[in-house]
Amino acid sequence: DTGVSQNPRHKITKRGQNVTFRCDPISEHNRLYWYRQTLGQGPEFLTYFQNEAQLEKSRLLSDRFSAERPKGSFSTLEIQRTEQGDSAMYLCASGRGAEKLFFGSGTQLSVL
Amino acid sequence: GQSLEQPSEVTAVEGAIVQINCTYQTSGFYGLSWYQQHDGGAPTFLSYNALDGLEETGRFSSFLSRSDSYGYLLLQELQMKDSASYFCAAQVENKLTFGTGTQLKVEL
Repeated sequence: DTGVSQNPRHKITKRGQNVTFRCDPISEHNRLYWYRQTLGQGPEFLTYFQNEAQLEKSRLLSDRFSAERPKGSFSTLEIQRTEQGDSAMYLCASGRGAEKLFFGSGTQLSVL
Repeated sequence: GQSLEQPSEVTAVEGAIVQINCTYQTSGFYGLSWYQQHDGGAPTFLSYNALDGLEETGRFSSFLSRSDSYGYLLLQELQMKDSASYFCAAQVENKLTFGTGTQLKVEL
């Protein structure tokens, strides 16, 4: 069990730029989740995959956000035309079921 | 919508027992999880209750009452390393909805 790995750990970008984050889940987990967390708040659900299928996406999620999980392994989260309000910690988690998730250390995004 | 309420802060002394409460309003509730998060770290799983009652894992115990839409996390023999944020999270179908978290400060 090597844990959930996320890259990069930190990303600073200018408003209007596109950014992409990567998540490598625990290999035997078929479920992969993306969450967003801001200071003093709990993680907020963005989307989740079962194998390569994206099964649910938050209704609050802007169309500027897109996620993929090709071949049911690693996943990428892309944010297009970033805004200052997108600044947050982006967390990836994997698990066999939703009740017990293993989180990565996250990607801290700062939009200037 | 889904909502979970927790106290924002709790302070206790080393060696004491502390209880962190969580009340929830959700539809399609499956169970309640608890996570610990140190500053700058990832949330880590502590416990999960699907049925009413108490689950014990070492110094940590978690309780659920589905009829009261209420749960708590009990931490015994507090240690300085327990200073962290604690989140309850409701499992609704295939995802977790997190509360805003309780910051626990353990003092000497």
